[in-house]
Amino acid sequence: DIQMTQSPSSLSASVGDRVTITCRASQSIARFLNWYQLKPGKAPKFLIYGASTLQSGVPSRFSGSGSGTDFTLTISSLQPEDFATYHCQQSYSTSSLTFGGGTKVEIK
Amino acid sequence: QLQLQESGPGLVKPLETLSLTCTVSGGSISNSDYYWGWVRQPPGKGLEWIGSIYYSGSTYYNPSLKNRLTISIYTSKNQFSLNLSSVTAADTAVYYCARQPAGYSDYDRFAFDIWGLGTMVTVSS
Repeated sequence: DIQMTQSPSSLSASVGDRVTITCRASQSIARFLNWYQLKPGKAPKFLIYGASTLQSGVPSRFSGSGSGTDFTLTISSLQPEDFATYHCQQSYSTSSLTFGGGTKVEIK
Repeated sequence: QLQLQESGPGLVKPLETLSLTCTVSGGSISNSDYYWGWVRQPPGKGLEWIGSIYYSGSTYYNPSLKNRLTISIYTSKNQFSLNLSSVTAADTAVYYCARQPAGYSDYDRFAFDIWGLGTMVTVSS
C-alpha cells in the first residue's frame, strides 16, 4: 500500500491567516492526489484533484501544489467556514486507495 | 443534482454482518463514467477506503478487508450495498458512500467527488 502522511495533525489559526497543510506519499504518485474537507454532520466536500485542479465551485482561496511524493494544500486567507478537517487521498494505485490521517484546522 | 444516502442498522453485534445500502438519486448508477465506493472513518481516526464497484459489477476491495467484504450493485433500484462479515469493535465507524469518476487517464480518477452524509455504525453486544 502507498502510505500517505499528513502534517500537522492539527493547527490553530485566525480568520485571515494563510494556512498550509502538507501531504507526503511513501512512493511517487505523480499528480494523483486529491483533497477533501470534512465537517461534523455534513457530507465531505471534494476540493482539489490532480494535486492542483480546483473542483467546480471551490473558492479560489484554496490551492494545491506538488507532484511525486510531496504535496501541499494552501488556504490563502482563512474564512470562518474553513474551520474543518482536511484529508489528502492518493488515486495513483487504483486497486488500493489510501488517505492521509487528516489535519484539523481550529480557531485560535 | 445527484445525491447519495446511506441506510442500515446503527448497531451490530460482534461477529455478525454489517449491512448498509446506498441509494443514489438525481442520476443513474448505470452511468459508465463512474464507480461507486464506500469509505469509513473510525472515531478519532482518519478515512479508510473500503471498496468500490462499477455498474457492471466489477469490484475493487481494500486488501485489508477483502476476506470479509462483499459490495454489490442493484441497477434496477439505483442502489449499491456493503456487507462486512465477522465484525469487531474495530469496525465501529461512520460509513460513507460516494461517487468516483472512472476515467483511468484522468487526474480525477477514483477520487470521491460526491458523498453521502454518512451513517454511524457501532459494533457492540
